[in-house]
Amino acid sequence: DAGVIQSPRHEVTEMGQEVTLRCKPISGHNSLFWYRQTMMRGLELLIYFNNNVPIDDSGMPEDRFSAKMPNASFSTLKIQPSEPRDSAVYFCASSLAQEGTQYFGPGTRLLVL
Amino acid sequence: SQQGEEDPQALSIQEGENATMNCSYKTSINNLQWYRQNSGRGLVHLILIRSNEREKHSGRLRVTLDTSKKSSSLLITASRAADTASYFCATFSGGYNKLIFGAGTRLAVHP
Repeated sequence: DAGVIQSPRHEVTEMGQEVTLRCKPISGHNSLFWYRQTMMRGLELLIYFNNNVPIDDSGMPEDRFSAKMPNASFSTLKIQPSEPRDSAVYFCASSLAQEGTQYFGPGTRLLVL
Repeated sequence: SQQGEEDPQALSIQEGENATMNCSYKTSINNLQWYRQNSGRGLVHLILIRSNEREKHSGRLRVTLDTSKKSSSLLITASRAADTASYFCATFSGGYNKLIFGAGTRLAVHP
């Protein structure tokens, strides 16, 4: 298996623009997680899905952030409109079960100017 | 406040020495996991230890869990320069129903 795939790997955009991050989990995994990592706040869980259903979105910063998982092999995290404080590395991870080992993607490094 | 907190925040050692990192947490857990992150990369799972286990080994890694003290330790024996990375503990508890990561320990192993 190729592991968790994320795209794009790097994104530079201007404040106010819409940003869409994409994730393909490992085939057969039932849980998918979106994290954000910054020097100041460390690794934060934004939202996670079980069997394509959002379970906990309490970590989503505000209404500008939204996430979808239309099927078992694809998820998106959207920021609209983006702000400079959204600059961070965004990781997607998947696991067989929400309490089990998580497999992380390489991350998307987002810079909002 | 964070469920899991690592100690120390940073550790610098010479190749061949052992490295010990500690993790403390606040509530009862189902399992505790250790991850490694190399600079600019995603996290990589190292070991999962369940609440009814006290010790696990994987190669040069040894993890202990003391549920009475709500703490865990990760020992890396005979460290190598390639072990240089950040190490995170993460706890899963029924109360939170999700994996919660600590702030990590930055380990530097010098040749």
